[in-house]
Amino acid sequence: GAVVSQHPSRVICKSGTSVKIECRSLDFQATTMFWYRQFPKQSLMLMATSNEGSKATYEQGVEKDKFLINHASLTLSTLTVTSAHPEDSSFYICSVPGLPRGLVKNIQYFGAGTRLSVL
Amino acid sequence: LAKTTQPISMDSYEGQEVNITCSHNNIATNDYITWYQQFPSQGPRFIIQGYKTKVTNEVASLFIPADRKSSTLSLPRVSLSDTAVYYCLVAMNSGGYQKVTFGTGTKLQVIP
Repeated sequence: GAVVSQHPSRVICKSGTSVKIECRSLDFQATTMFWYRQFPKQSLMLMATSNEGSKATYEQGVEKDKFLINHASLTLSTLTVTSAHPEDSSFYICSVPGLPRGLVKNIQYFGAGTRLSVL
Repeated sequence: LAKTTQPISMDSYEGQEVNITCSHNNIATNDYITWYQQFPSQGPRFIIQGYKTKVTNEVASLFIPADRKSSTLSLPRVSLSDTAVYYCLVAMNSGGYQKVTFGTGTKLQVIP
């Protein structure tokens, strides 16, 4: 079954509106979650590291006031795209680091992604 | 973070074995090699992970030479449903909390 739940799967909104995307860790608590963005035919690009109880860490070039991240609990992180514009249209994916299981270390469990289309 | 290089795309016929090689010349001693699969409009999914030599699970095998500067993902007898993008990542064994960098990935197209 799914380890990470991401909602909504698809959003279509008007330019200027804000959109909130939720990422829930279903199987275990997560003090850290990651947010990625993926444009068509491109690879995943890490946007920020979400830290429970503290501020998120943003990658270079990612506007923290544009992409608000809240990690209020050990199982939920939210990404809010504020005042969205057409250039923000993309596929947003969250991930939750997995606990080491036997010989497998340092893997991430990804959400199903959110397709954002800004008109 | 170690940089990885993979072929951009590969084609294969159904039923064939597919080998995708990833170069990671700057891999560090504590780095593990992990492969993910991504279908269109979905999040990536873990396939296999290794540190050295050979690892095999129910879906794939991973071959890592002694110098660990490259690795090869082997998919036995591919089917149409294996059409996807495959990413090779290199990251430390740190309990999962280290951020990782995705390379370009390899788009595998399986042909009937």
